[in-house]
Amino acid sequence: GENVEQHPSTLSVQEGDSAVIKCTYSDSASNYFPWYKQELGKGPQLIIDIRSNVGEKKDQRIAVTLNKTAKHFSLHITETQPEDSAVYFCAASRKLTGGGNKLTFGTGTQLKVEL
Amino acid sequence: DVKVTQSSRYLVKRTGEKVFLECVQDMDHENMFWYRQDPGLGLRLIYFSYDVKMKEKGDIPEGYSVSREKKERFSLILESASTNQTSMYLCASRPILLPLAGDADTQYFGPGTRLTVL
Repeated sequence: GENVEQHPSTLSVQEGDSAVIKCTYSDSASNYFPWYKQELGKGPQLIIDIRSNVGEKKDQRIAVTLNKTAKHFSLHITETQPEDSAVYFCAASRKLTGGGNKLTFGTGTQLKVEL
Repeated sequence: DVKVTQSSRYLVKRTGEKVFLECVQDMDHENMFWYRQDPGLGLRLIYFSYDVKMKEKGDIPEGYSVSREKKERFSLILESASTNQTSMYLCASRPILLPLAGDADTQYFGPGTRLTVL
């Protein structure tokens, strides 16, 4: 099955700095890579995603890059703000042999943006 | 907006009790999922359901069962709760995927139920 590794587990940055979270996946059949943000007391919420036929995607201050050859993808947050403080999860989705898709999550990164 | 609600935010139960966690979604999604979230382990899939009356085991189904009698409702059942089932439980839903239409595997999560088993 798929295995998704995520690093670092905790990340502390100063407000205004950039933050980068990295993930690697094992199954080359994975073709969709979403990133979720989980704020305290809430469920994870999708913030950005990328498909396997795209190398980079940007949405305002966040961007995601994908290197299919190396099987890794990264989340980049620029000009970080206190409200960016949360737990971030990467995930990889692949089709199952019997039909349907399965999403496998990384272990999460606790991002803290300090004033 | 998709709304996924879970019956309780916090729950405390005793070892051996039968526990029901309820999840309801209001977007007519076919697929529903139960995960547990533990520090350092991320989200792990317990069970999922592609449609009413259907259920599939995820990665860690032991000690759990599920029920999907109505499309909007997916219940997680702990037949005999144990202390190692103390965790955050997250429910998610997703519309049926049509790969040829380019659908993405985007799941919508509820706020979670923090279960403590004493």
